[in-house]
Amino acid sequence: VVMTQSPLSLPVTLGQPASISCRSSQGLVYSNGDTFLNWFQQRPGQSPRRLIYKVSNRDSGVPDRFSGSGSGTDFTLKISRVEAEDVGVFYCMQGTHWPFTFGPGTTVDI
Amino acid sequence: QVQLVESGGDLVKPGGSLRLSCAASGFTFTDHYMSWVRQAPGRGLESVSYIGPSGNDISYRDSVKGRFTISRDNTKNSLYLQMNSLRVDDTAVYFCSRDPRRLDSWGQGTLVTVSS
Repeated sequence: VVMTQSPLSLPVTLGQPASISCRSSQGLVYSNGDTFLNWFQQRPGQSPRRLIYKVSNRDSGVPDRFSGSGSGTDFTLKISRVEAEDVGVFYCMQGTHWPFTFGPGTTVDI
Repeated sequence: QVQLVESGGDLVKPGGSLRLSCAASGFTFTDHYMSWVRQAPGRGLESVSYIGPSGNDISYRDSVKGRFTISRDNTKNSLYLQMNSLRVDDTAVYFCSRDPRRLDSWGQGTLVTVSS
């Protein structure tokens, strides 16, 4: 399954909203009804950190300015008000069809 | 809290072998699938392999099939990746991660460099 993201580079302004789109080449509904679409943030020099799992569930400790939505093959990560700590590369990833695949990443910088 | 610590990365020549280890703590290891994910320098992320809790459910991406072997020792809360016939394009940081469909926890990674 090929994951695409847009934009690949996203200059943002502090306090302003931002949005990243992710599209899969196949539907991501698993046999149990779950949709394994995750979002990760990777800050420079760090390991990826999961932000959102199963499309719209925010991980513990993730600020509520991050939200995920979507269905089928189209998904979106939104940041309601960008803060300085949000810089990094954001990846979507599908965990439905093996091999699980990641999007190319969206670089967010201020 | 969940902690995953990888080790074993090194510089190796093409055709060589390497064994990566991941020490897990802070959770019940035998309750979870585990996986290896890699990231080539300056590149994106790639799922490499996963293994079920008892070691009987294993998958590999095509590019490593027949060369890499994933395993686990539940008595030591450890995950392993035996890498043989290494190629230049296997050069990457290798991350140990919990739950391959969800990847909710990651280690800091270990660097494997394949070069002559």
